[in-house]
Amino acid sequence: VVMTQSPLSLPVTLGQPASISCRSSQSLVHSTGNTYLSWFHQRPGQSPRRLIYKVSKRDSGVPDRFSGSGSGTDFTLKISRVEAEDVGLYYCMQGTHWPALSFGGGTKVEIE
Amino acid sequence: QLVQSGGGLVKPGGSLRLSCAASGFSFSDEFFSWVRQGPGNGLEWLSYIGNGGSPIYYADSVKGRFTISRDDAKNSVYLQMNSLRAEDSAVYYCARVADSSVDPWGQGTVVTVSS
Repeated sequence: VVMTQSPLSLPVTLGQPASISCRSSQSLVHSTGNTYLSWFHQRPGQSPRRLIYKVSKRDSGVPDRFSGSGSGTDFTLKISRVEAEDVGLYYCMQGTHWPALSFGGGTKVEIE
Repeated sequence: QLVQSGGGLVKPGGSLRLSCAASGFSFSDEFFSWVRQGPGNGLEWLSYIGNGGSPIYYADSVKGRFTISRDDAKNSVYLQMNSLRAEDSAVYYCARVADSSVDPWGQGTVVTVSS
């Protein structure tokens, strides 16, 4: 399954919203009815940290300015008001088509 | 928490073993994967191991060269890497697999394959 993210680079203004798109080459709806689409954030020099799983479920400790949405093959990560700590790389990942997890190419968020 | 060790500089054709020690959860019940991040920052899933040591899966890019294993007595997962190539140079991460996602990730370890 090929995961395609856009844009590759996203300059943002502090306090303004931001949105990242992720599209899969196949539907991510599993036979169980669940959709296994996750979002990760990676700060420079750190390992990825999961923000969102199953499309829209926020991990513990993740600020509520982060939200995930979508269905089928089209998904979106939104940041309602960008803060300085939000810079870095963002990745989507599918876990529906097991066992080969596949990741999007990444989106670099930077402050304008 | 996952703490990784191993990695380093190795010549083409050489071998390395990566280790990943877990704490803070019931290790034997959990599943794990290895993922690497190449110089272009892309993430590539490499391997998976279930609880009890099965099932085991590999990406085509490492099948036959890499071996994943676990030692529940040591709360550790391993990646034995043989016949290393320049294109295997990357940062390698271990991660716990749950509900078809990965979390948390280890801190990463750098592998450089160069003569």
